[in-house]
Parts: sequence; C-alpha cells; structure tokens
Amino acid sequence: DTEVTQTPKHLVMGMTNKKSLKCEQHMGHRAMYWYKQKAKKPPELMFVYSYEKLSINESVPSRFSPECPNSSLLNLHLHALQPEDSALYLCASSQGGHLNTEAFFGQGTRLTVV
Amino acid sequence: GQNIDQPTEMTATEGAIVQINCTYQTSGFNGLFWYQQHAGEAPTFLSYNVLDGLEEKGRFSSFLSRSKGYSYLLLKELQMKDSASYLCAVREGRDDKIIFGKGTRLHILP
Repeated sequence: DTEVTQTPKHLVMGMTNKKSLKCEQHMGHRAMYWYKQKAKKPPELMFVYSYEKLSINESVPSRFSPECPNSSLLNLHLHALQPEDSALYLCASSQGGHLNTEAFFGQGTRLTVV
Repeated sequence: GQNIDQPTEMTATEGAIVQINCTYQTSGFNGLFWYQQHAGEAPTFLSYNVLDGLEEKGRFSSFLSRSKGYSYLLLKELQMKDSASYLCAVREGRDDKIIFGKGTRLHILP
C-alpha cells in the first residue's frame, strides 16, 4: 500500500469559514508534509512533521494551522482565508529519519476561497 | 537556502529520447527526486538518487553528479502519455525538507 489519502477532494469556502483538510497514510511513514500548488507552478513547501512533531514551518501565515494527531494522520486547519489562498493543497509522506527515501503524494484537495 | 534550475519547456517527438537537466545548489544535500505531474493531478514519483551514477527503471533513467550539483532524467521511446511536467526536487539537510524546482513542461509531438 503506497497510498496517501486526502479528503475532501474539492472544497469551496468563504473568507469567514473554518474548515479542515485531512490526510491519512498507513505506510508507517514518520515524515508528513503539506504543500501548496498554484496553477502551472511547482509545489511549494508549507509544513513538515517528523515523528509527529512540527519540524519545518516555511513562514506560513497563521490562518493555516497544521496538526498531527498521530503518526498516520495530518490535518490542516483553515480560518479566515483569502481568495489568493485558492490552490491545490497536497499532502505527502516519506519514511523519515536516516532511512528516508521518496515522498508519496496524495491526490490533493482543490480549495477555492470565495 | 537552495536554488534548483531546470528548463521551463521542452518538445520532443513520439518514439524519440529526451533528456531533462536539473542543476541545484543547496546546503546539506540529502537526495534528489524526479516526479511526473499531469495537469490537475498529484505528482507521481519516478526516481530517487542519493549516490552518484545512473539509476534505470524501464523507459526512465536518472543520473546524479553530487560534485557538479547536476542531475538529468532520460526518457526513452517517448509516448504521447509522457506529455507532462517533470519536477526535480531536492532533499536538504536532516529535516526531511523536500524542495521542488519550477518543473519542465514536456510536449510530445506525433
């Protein structure tokens, strides 16, 4: 099983809404990632969790709040977003640590902020 | 910090061979990946190089020279379905940080 599952696949939210994106993997991976991707641009790293601890925050605005409840789950809580935050949000996971190899991506959540 | 460069676009003919180059400058290199991404879809893993040399996987091969900060992805026997963006990504340091280059859009002509 090399699957990373993201829900929902599509999300439309208003600027005053609070919503959450979810990501799940059962590969025993200990590193999990959130990326943001705009059209015709590469994925842009937002957060990295290593062994359930936030290890990297790439200066992401506080309206994005990550959470790692356990080693299989990664959430991204959204609050007071702006229209320019509309993008494809990708979750990925990799083994982590000194055995780290490739990262596997989920299919993404396409977010539209209205 | 890091700097990853690859050509923006390339065009090749069905059945031919194409090489996509990637150069990088990073502090604490810890592996290089190539991903394929079709429009509107998630990136799909193609290859991973951490040591110098060539890794071959079917029609796709990837090469790494750490001393030159250079990699290439070689695609043989091109098919129309190979039309996609090809992303070079580098793992930096010990923090599991993976950064992507801007990607190369490959167009395959019949």
